[in-house]
Formats: sequence, structure tokens, C-alpha cells
Amino acid sequence: KQEVTQIPAALSVPEGENLVLNCSFTDSAIYNLQWFRQDPGKGLTSLLLIQSSQREQTSGRLNASLDKSSGRSTLYIAASQPGDSATYLCAVFGPMEYGNKLVFGAGTILRVKS
Amino acid sequence: NAGVTQTPKFRILKIGQSMTLQCTQDMNHNYMYWYRQDPGMGLKLIYYSVGAGITDKGEVPNGYNVSRSTTEDFPLRLELAAPSQTSVYFCASSRQGLQPQHFGDGTRLSIL
Repeated sequence: KQEVTQIPAALSVPEGENLVLNCSFTDSAIYNLQWFRQDPGKGLTSLLLIQSSQREQTSGRLNASLDKSSGRSTLYIAASQPGDSATYLCAVFGPMEYGNKLVFGAGTILRVKS
Repeated sequence: NAGVTQTPKFRILKIGQSMTLQCTQDMNHNYMYWYRQDPGMGLKLIYYSVGAGITDKGEVPNGYNVSRSTTEDFPLRLELAAPSQTSVYFCASSRQGLQPQHFGDGTRLSIL
């Protein structure tokens, strides 16, 4: 059974800091990995999707890396801003034997203080 | 663009009542999903559909039913509401299985 773990569960940093969120998964035979952002009372917004053949993806101040063999991904946020405060969720797709679905971690609650 | 629209946004039910959570998408996506999110937990897949007329169980299907008569709509039905079904329910869609999923804003359901 695929399991996804996110560390830390919560993080509070001052504005301007660079930070790293961690995601690990138990079965490395994944097709892709996604990072999502969830604002309070809202649905999820996809931030980055990394295919299994890729090592990283970048979007603005966000950089996500994938080490499939070790079952790990990191989301790097540069120069954090109060508007980055949200819950960040990691999810993996696959392997197919577990069904045609994403498996989610519990998320990291990020607070950026001004 | 509307994207994925869920109704209602909030609902309180009594034990044993039934209701249907509505989900519609206007992106012509083939795949649609229903998840539930409990406090401090990740999302768990209830049911999914790969196209009109095709549905399949996810990780936690007990107590729920779905149908997919059109590409746009994917309603989720609770037949006999139980307190354990108190949760936030999210509908999502994607063009194909491996592509990014687009989420609605959720339905917050309390069963008392």
C-alpha cells in the first residue's frame, strides 16, 4: 500500500526566509508527484507536477525536486511572503496496482509572519 | 472560467437522512473524482469515473454511491447519513488519469 508522509506537520517562519517542505512515499514505482496548495475553506490548487522521469520542476519562487529511488520530494519556497501561508499537500500517482488514483499526505501547515 | 463547481457549500444532516452532493465541470474532462478530507488528514478517494457511464470504487466507498450519466456531472449520494461521514468533500476532474487534477471548493457536511 502506498503511503505518503509530510514533515513537518506545521511550520512558522518570518517573512523573507527560504524554506523546505518534505514529502516521502513508501513505493517508488510512481508515475508522477504533485504539490498542491490549500487555502482555508478552499479547494486544492495544483502548484507543480513532476513526472517520474524528471528530477525537478520550477514555477516562480517554487522549486520541487524528486528522488524517486529514495522515495522523497522536497518543495523549496524562496523568499517567503505572508501570502504563502497555506497548507501544502503532496500527492503521488501510482503504482497502478494500487488503483488509478492519487495518494495524499496529510499536509504541512505553513505560516509566514510579517 | 467556472472550472469545478460543487453545491451545496455547507450542509447539516440528521442521522439517517439522505442527500446528494452535486459536482459539475465545464472543462470537458474525462476523469472525475470524489474525495473526503478529515481534520489533520490527507484526502481519501471515495469514487472515481474515467468517463460517462463508468465508475469505480476508491479507498473509502462504503456508505456512498455515484453515477456519471454525462461528462459534466458526477453526483455523490449518501443514502443513510452517519456521524462518521462528517467531513469536507471535494470533487476534482482531470483530462486524463496522469494529468493535474482541478478541484472544487468543497462541501462541508456535518451529520448530527
